[in-house]
Amino acid sequence: AQSVTQLGSHVSVSEGALVLLRCNYSSSVPPYLFWYVQYPNQGLQLLLKYTSAATLVKGINGFEAEFKKSETSFHLTKPSAHMSDAAEYFCAVSDNSGYSTLTFGKGTMLLVSP
Amino acid sequence: ETGVTQSPTHLIKTRGQQVTLRCSSQSGHNTVSWYQQALGQGPQFIFQYYREEENGRGNFPPRFSGLQFPNYSSELNVNALELDDSALYLCASSSKPGGQGHTFGSGTRLTVV
Repeated sequence: AQSVTQLGSHVSVSEGALVLLRCNYSSSVPPYLFWYVQYPNQGLQLLLKYTSAATLVKGINGFEAEFKKSETSFHLTKPSAHMSDAAEYFCAVSDNSGYSTLTFGKGTMLLVSP
Repeated sequence: ETGVTQSPTHLIKTRGQQVTLRCSSQSGHNTVSWYQQALGQGPQFIFQYYREEENGRGNFPPRFSGLQFPNYSSELNVNALELDDSALYLCASSSKPGGQGHTFGSGTRLTVV
């Protein structure tokens, strides 16, 4: 079974500050890891994904995440927050089989203040 | 290329009724997955259809059922609605089964009263 834990249901930063959203996973097989963003009343948009290539993954809108197997983590970072980054962020885990779908964390709401 | 479209965007149903939600997959995609997102929670996997066959199911009761059509569009049916079924229902399509390459629709907001 796979699971995801996102530490912090809400994270507040000032515009221009570093964004760090934490994600830890549990998986009995090599995982595929994803970060999605959800704006109010919208579906999920893929930010980035790790599928066993480079451990540092760059995504859209200046976000990146680093896969650390020893820490079972896949934290999302952005050097400088923008007001438009305010949204809910979900970490998800899957695997390479054709029978595993996405298991999501509970989400972290990012609040950006001017 | 068109993305994933879901209909309706919102609906309100009464407890005990039945509901059908629809999803048109992205062009070139043959797999559709459905997720339930309760308020303040992450999406929970309901089931996945690949080439018109169910390819996996999450921990949802049998009153949640689905179909996939030859054009790869899909329906989610829920019978005997309960108040706890109130949620955002998300459809995602992909070009192969599994958890990769999901393109999500904007969802259907179901309220059960």
